[in-house]
Amino acid sequence: SYELTQPPSVSVSPGQTASITCSGDKLGDKYTCWYQQRPGQSPVLIIYQDDKRPSGIPERFSGSNSGNTATLTIIGTQVLDEADYYCQSWDSGTRVVFGGGTKLTVL
Amino acid sequence: QVSLKESGPVLVKPTETLTLTCSVSGFSLSESRLGVSWFRQPPGKALEWLAHIYSNDEKSYSTSLKSDLTISRDTSKGQVVLTMTNVDPVDTATYFCARKVGVGGYSGDGYDYWGQGMLVTVSS
Repeated sequence: SYELTQPPSVSVSPGQTASITCSGDKLGDKYTCWYQQRPGQSPVLIIYQDDKRPSGIPERFSGSNSGNTATLTIIGTQVLDEADYYCQSWDSGTRVVFGGGTKLTVL
Repeated sequence: QVSLKESGPVLVKPTETLTLTCSVSGFSLSESRLGVSWFRQPPGKALEWLAHIYSNDEKSYSTSLKSDLTISRDTSKGQVVLTMTNVDPVDTATYFCARKVGVGGYSGDGYDYWGQGMLVTVSS
């Protein structure tokens, strides 16, 4: 089965740039989405089709996907961005796969 | 506006069958290119996809859980139902339903609306 690998944790200082990676075999040939999940809340879609932001998602969030790695970048990270982040793609076109999640700490 | 809400038992015993209902509003389950998936998240762990039902009533299941899951819908009621047979304590998790536009990974659209989730505990 297809697997996506994320670092368990990433730390960043407020105002700096945070990068969260998601690795999978030939991931760049597939679409990747990213979700933000704060404690006790439902996931929120922040990136779809590799690099598109849904309405209402701040411009400081961006995504890229090439080769075996997709990357979520947060420019000018804010304290309120502290959350768990999950990448998501598809196996065999229809089966949904998530990464293990990355806890972003802003301090 | 679009909303989804999960409902079902909060406590089930091992070996029993779990039935969860996702009630949707603000869109139709038969609307072209829309579908609904079920997910779960054990306490402190990652999200896991379980099953998806498309607007044409086609279904897709997690490979590892396929034999235990059934997803169905009642379009007139705006409900998507997930049944999981022979539950085990490892199935203790928060269960979510969410809406997706497009067909699988071919469109690359993500899950744009999620329910609030409900915690289901499997214990004797």
